[in-house]
This record gives sequence, C-alpha cells and structure tokens, in this order.
Amino acid sequence: DVKVTQSSRYLVKRTGEKVFLECVQDMDHENMFWYRQDPGLGLRLIYFSYDVKMKEKGDIPEGYSVSREKKERFSLILESASTNQTSMYLCASSWIRFFSAQHFGDGTRLSIL
Amino acid sequence: AQKITQTQPGMFVQEKEAVTLDCTYDTSDQSYGLFWYKQPSSGEMIFLIYQGSYDEQNATEGRYSLNFQKARKSANLVISASQLGDSAMYFCAMRDQGAGKSTFGDGTTLTVKP
Repeated sequence: DVKVTQSSRYLVKRTGEKVFLECVQDMDHENMFWYRQDPGLGLRLIYFSYDVKMKEKGDIPEGYSVSREKKERFSLILESASTNQTSMYLCASSWIRFFSAQHFGDGTRLSIL
Repeated sequence: AQKITQTQPGMFVQEKEAVTLDCTYDTSDQSYGLFWYKQPSSGEMIFLIYQGSYDEQNATEGRYSLNFQKARKSANLVISASQLGDSAMYFCAMRDQGAGKSTFGDGTTLTVKP
C-alpha cells in the first residue's frame, strides 16, 4: 500500500513565523502535490512537483513556497505565516501516468494565531 | 480548461439502500481519467475508483461502481447497500493525458441514516 506521511496532524503557529510542512511518500512517485482545503472552497492546489527540484504553481501559490530536494519528500513553506493561512493542508503523490490516482496523507490542520 | 461539476452539495440515504452521486465534466481532450475520492470527517482522502475515457466497461470496486456516460460527459458514483461508515464527503476528479495535476469538484456530503 502507498503511504504518504505528513509530519504533523495538528500544528499551531504564530503570525510572522516561518512554517514548514513536510510530506514523505514511499512509492517512488514522480508527482507530489500540496493542497489547501477550506469549508465551501473545496480543494485548492497550491503547488505541485513532477520531479526533483521541479515545481509548478497551482491556483493559490501566493504566500507559499515549496522544496523538493529528494524524490520522496515535498515540503511546503509558509514564509511569514498569516491568520488567513489557517486551514487544512493535504499532501498527495501519484505516478506521472495520467491514469494514476493521487494518494493523500492524513492532512495537517494548521492554526495561525 | 477542465471543469468538474458536482451539483449535489448534500445527500441523504437510508442504510442498506443504493445512492448515486452526480458528476459531470468538461474537457476537450480525448484521453483522460476520472476518479472518485472519499473524505471522512477525520480528514484523509481515500481513492475509491477510476474510469478511463477509453474504457468500454463501467468500473466497479466492491460496492462502488461508476456510471460512465461519455456522450453526456457524466461519471456518476453509485454506492450499493449503503453503510453508516459511508457517511463522508465525496469528490469527483479528472486528469487528462497532458496534465500532471487533477481538477476536483466541490464535493458532495453524503449522510447515511440508520
């Protein structure tokens, strides 16, 4: 079974802090994704990566950056956390083939105070 | 551009009955994949079922089946013999051959009543 592991299930940080959310997958998937999910707004793509050191902006990249130095690890960085970044963050991975489903981690509920 | 529409924000079903969750999609591509995911209240997203655009048979996975009507651009999820544990949000998603990313619908919240 595919395992996607997010470093924290719940996280509380203060405004202005630099926040790191980590995601690790064990299936050698080429693609990795970061989403944010808010009530009534569905799933919104922040960034995705299709290879090591490669990344593409999603729908809402402002205020975020990402890092993929190793194939299995994809990090989301909030450069200077703000209260409007309080949300549920979901990481996912998939094969590059278009018929490959995405496999998700358990999510991180991030609160910025 | 791809678009997924789920017109039912919320649905109720009686335990042991079947339920259909609607999904329509829009794409100009010929090769694409359609996916359904389940998200329980605990938050994790679980992949349920996949249908390829060239698949002639409707996909089935246990109690889940996908009613794929290509000409109508619809990919409805059918859950047979509903269980209380089926209460969750369900997302329809699409990915085309050229894209690394998927397009998701807004989701349907299903509540199974005992």
